[in-house]
Amino acid sequence: AQTVTQSQPEMSVQEAETVTLSCTYDTSESNYYLFWYKQPPSRQMILVIRQEAYKQQNATENRFSVNFQKAAKSFSLKISDSQLGDTAMYFCAFMKPDYNDMRFGAGTRLTVKP
Amino acid sequence: GAVVSQHPSWVICKSGTSVKIECRSLDFQATTMFWYRQFPKQSLMLMATSNEGSKATYEQGVEKDKFLINHASLTLSTLTVTSAHPEDSSFYICSASPTARSGNTIYFGEGSWLTVV
Repeated sequence: AQTVTQSQPEMSVQEAETVTLSCTYDTSESNYYLFWYKQPPSRQMILVIRQEAYKQQNATENRFSVNFQKAAKSFSLKISDSQLGDTAMYFCAFMKPDYNDMRFGAGTRLTVKP
Repeated sequence: GAVVSQHPSWVICKSGTSVKIECRSLDFQATTMFWYRQFPKQSLMLMATSNEGSKATYEQGVEKDKFLINHASLTLSTLTVTSAHPEDSSFYICSASPTARSGNTIYFGEGSWLTVV
């Protein structure tokens, strides 16, 4: 079974600064997908970034980038130039290809301070 | 973009009654849909996989007789909480992936708040 661990229950960052959220996972699969989702108070799940395990290049989406270390089974999210609207719960998730059932970490509550 | 819609967004029911939550894929067909439960300040926990035209697959610890799942068409899955109790109060959210598309793009519904009184 796959497990996803987020060891930081809460984090805060000053507006315009950079913050990194940690995620580790455990799997015996060689190919899989990893995700970071943002969940604001509305509870809507918003995809932040996605990484395919067979791609060595780290995914980036504007201010969001990941540090994917496959051997270490680590998948951290870096948010640059933090904005107040980034305040939310952030979940790391694992998914096997063709199964589509996601396994989520416990989440990290990020607060961006003005 | 693709949309998954859930209904109702909010529901309050009396203890002992049953309540149905719908999950619809509005512009794509989904052979498989997924139901998650999220208690306050906790993560999303997969409850079951809903399979069109066949029985749902439940995660360990989830009572299949209590959480009835029906996936009668390629665009609709329903979750019925039977004999609901206050401890079933939670946020329920579904997800789906277009059958015809590759890349495993997942779409989440807006979620449904269930309060059992």
